Amino acid sequence: AQSVTQLDSHVSVSEGTPVLLRCNYSSSYSPSLFWYVQHPNKGLQLLLKYTSAATLVKGINGFEAEFKKSETSFHLTKPSAHMSDAAEYFCVVSDARDTGRRALTFGSGTRLQVQP
Amino acid sequence: DSGVTQTPKHLITATGQRVTLRCSPRSGDLSVYWYQQSLDQGLQFLIHYYNGEERAKGNILERFSAQQFPDLHSELNLSSLELGDSALYFCASSVAVSPGNTIYFGEGSWLTVV
Repeated sequence: AQSVTQLDSHVSVSEGTPVLLRCNYSSSYSPSLFWYVQHPNKGLQLLLKYTSAATLVKGINGFEAEFKKSETSFHLTKPSAHMSDAAEYFCVVSDARDTGRRALTFGSGTRLQVQP
Repeated sequence: DSGVTQTPKHLITATGQRVTLRCSPRSGDLSVYWYQQSLDQGLQFLIHYYNGEERAKGNILERFSAQQFPDLHSELNLSSLELGDSALYFCASSVAVSPGNTIYFGEGSWLTVV
């Protein structure tokens, strides 16, 4: 079975400093990995996805993530935080075995606070 | 805007009642998914339909049912509602069922059971 662990439930950074949101996954097959963001009272927006192409994936709003198979990690980073980045972030896995009965497995989420 | 439309956005109802949540997927998307988000359970997969057929069931209660119609819109029916059913219900859609396909989420339907 596939699973996702987001290592931090809350992360607080100052505006202009780097962001690191950590995610480890477990999958018996070749996984597809995603990061979604949820702003307050909003739906889930895709930030970026990894689907076995380049291991460094660039997403929207300056975010990027690196797939490291040896570490089973898919950490999300941004060089400089902006106030508008404050939101809940979800790491998500979907593995190749799931073809035909697709379901994403969500991590528990990391709430990012950005201090002025 | 993801292109996935959910109605109603907010709903307050009493215990024991039945409600229907509606979802219109993005144009061209054949797959529709329903998720429940609550404070204690996080994001839980409920059910997946592809082109009108049920493809996968997750943690969906027997009191809940869903269907996808020929025009590809979907409805989630929640009956005999309990206080614990209060949650944000998301609909999502994707083109097909490949693990790499992006799933696009609607803004959700807030259900409050009182």
